[in-house]
Amino acid sequence: GAVVSQHPSRVICKSGTSVKIECRSLDFQATTMFWYRQFPKQSLMLMATSNEGSKATYEQGVEKDKFLINHASLTLSTLTVTSAHPEDSSFYICSAPEWGYNSPLHFGNGTRLTVT
Amino acid sequence: KQEVTQIPAALSVPEGENLVLNCSFTDSAIYNLQWFRQDPGKGLTSLLLIQSSQREQTSGRLNASLDKSSGRSTLYIAASQPGDSATYLCAVRVNQAGTALIFGKGTTLSVSS
Repeated sequence: GAVVSQHPSRVICKSGTSVKIECRSLDFQATTMFWYRQFPKQSLMLMATSNEGSKATYEQGVEKDKFLINHASLTLSTLTVTSAHPEDSSFYICSAPEWGYNSPLHFGNGTRLTVT
Repeated sequence: KQEVTQIPAALSVPEGENLVLNCSFTDSAIYNLQWFRQDPGKGLTSLLLIQSSQREQTSGRLNASLDKSSGRSTLYIAASQPGDSATYLCAVRVNQAGTALIFGKGTTLSVSS
């Protein structure tokens, strides 16, 4: 079945540095990918919608200059957390629809970011 | 604004029991509803997808129902096993132009042997 690969699975960085997270669709093309964030014991919150070849759409309250999204190909979207701070520590997870807007969403395994 | 609520937040049952997880959503104008399983510190595994025109979907010991008009869905797990222990998330897709999912907070299930 369709697989979404996310890398890295875990990253620890120092405050002020930037971290890049990759999300790849392995056996299907994804013109759209979604980035979510999950704090402990909380629900997944949509951060942004990544569109291949165009600018990402950010949800209200999400800083686009802090969370840079690039969707340069039909199989790869990246999320860069710039100038990370401890409050950015969270579980980041990407997803992509297998085909069309009414299809199942497939999720990566997530990235646990810890900012010290 | 669409809100998704899951009840109960946590549930502990002995092995072998049948159980029901509940999900409700405030806006009935959805395109589909999806149930996921999440193991601690892991990503999501899609369990069942119900289109808005459907009433239920079944996969193995899992059965999910959808009553769109009342804004409710249930996930029925038959003959629960310790391996079913996980957090179960309900999510609805509401946006026609995009395909984002709105998630509930989940029900954390613990099945004891």
